[in-house]
Amino acid sequence: EAQVTQNPRYLITVTGKKLTVTCSQNMNHEYMSWYRQDPGLGLRQIYYSMNVEVTDKGDVPEGYKVSRKEKRNFPLILESPSPNQTSLYFCASSLRGRGINEQYFGPGTRLTVT
Amino acid sequence: AQKITQTQPGMFVQEKEAVTLDCTYDTSDQSYGLFWYKQPSSGEMIFLIYQGSYDEQNATEGRYSLNFQKARKSANLVISASQLGDSAMYFCAMRSLYGNKLVFGAGTILRVKS
Repeated sequence: EAQVTQNPRYLITVTGKKLTVTCSQNMNHEYMSWYRQDPGLGLRQIYYSMNVEVTDKGDVPEGYKVSRKEKRNFPLILESPSPNQTSLYFCASSLRGRGINEQYFGPGTRLTVT
Repeated sequence: AQKITQTQPGMFVQEKEAVTLDCTYDTSDQSYGLFWYKQPSSGEMIFLIYQGSYDEQNATEGRYSLNFQKARKSANLVISASQLGDSAMYFCAMRSLYGNKLVFGAGTILRVKS
């Protein structure tokens, strides 16, 4: 089954404790992206990757890191999480970075930072 | 810069009736795509329908149709014969041909009453 998977689905952590949210897709997509969803703001892009070893900042990259060492994986790293990073996070992928092609979303990761 | 505006924070509709969810957009690009996603209480993002900026006909997918008015820059979602399972958050989004992300509106919460 073609899908985007994220782990963990739910996470409660404390300020300053490094964490990684994994994202994996099995569709051989070139493009992957991370979004965060906050009430009243919709989804906003954090980072994106056009292909392996090619990443760039989105609209709200502060406090986050990413890497793309393999085509299928695009982990999101929070080196020192803070309460303002409490949010619902989505990973998405699409066949290519350019062009109007549908993005497939993972199930979401609900993160709470206390 | 691109922007999506969804002016209805919340909507109620009676079961079996039709409902229109509003979406206006702002872009200087000529080639773009408009998307609608449904987010039920479980949190996942479900793709509903897509409209390309050069498509002459309004998109339809089952009970969903997109009322696309290019000159007015609006892309309203029409849900016919509402069902209780349609209760969810609905997001309008757009992506330009040369863009690297989906730009989302703030969303509209739809509640279907029996």
